[in-house]
Amino acid sequence: KQEVTQIPAALSVPEGENLVLNCSFTDSAIYNLQWFRQDPGKGLTSLLLIQSSQREQTSGRLNASLDKSSGRSTLYIAASQPGDSATYLCAVLYFGNEKLTFGTGTRLTIIP
Amino acid sequence: DAGITQSPRYKITETGRQVTLMCHQTWSHSYMFWYRQDLGHGLRLIYYSAAADITDKGEVPDGYVVSRSKTENFPLTLESATRSQTSVYFCASSVAGVLYNEQFFGPGTRLTVL
Repeated sequence: KQEVTQIPAALSVPEGENLVLNCSFTDSAIYNLQWFRQDPGKGLTSLLLIQSSQREQTSGRLNASLDKSSGRSTLYIAASQPGDSATYLCAVLYFGNEKLTFGTGTRLTIIP
Repeated sequence: DAGITQSPRYKITETGRQVTLMCHQTWSHSYMFWYRQDLGHGLRLIYYSAAADITDKGEVPDGYVVSRSKTENFPLTLESATRSQTSVYFCASSVAGVLYNEQFFGPGTRLTVL
């Protein structure tokens, strides 16, 4: 079964630290992987989209990597800020699908 | 304002009633999607549409009906609401399919079925 897993479900980090969020997928045959941010009571905001041919994407303090052979992606957040507190979800587009498969997210809390 | 909007934002209804959730986007994106988000399940695709008058089932379509007569609108109807349809519903859109394009999400509708 094609699944996406995000562990841990929740993470607390002191302000200013660098951190890594993890995303695992069960099949290396993917088209792309997308990271989203969701604030409480809000919709999802797209952060980064990595195509299968790419190894990483960067946007500001965010860097997402993709390792298809190991079925892993990481979202690196540099110099964390309280405003980074949110739930982060990753979603994978597997070969043969027309829909994204979402993980259940990691709820990140940055402690001032 | 440009973007994707959903209405209502909150809805309480009773079992057996028909409910329609509205979604409107101003970008003229070809693709539109309906998801539901439940604790422990993440987001699951209900229906999607590649263009006006073209719709396809997603992962959990049972009990839902969609239509798309205009590019900018994609209403979702619960024909006879059940308690299991209590959820947060998100509409999304993208320029084209998910192959190379990001999805942009609306703010969601929280639906409670009593």
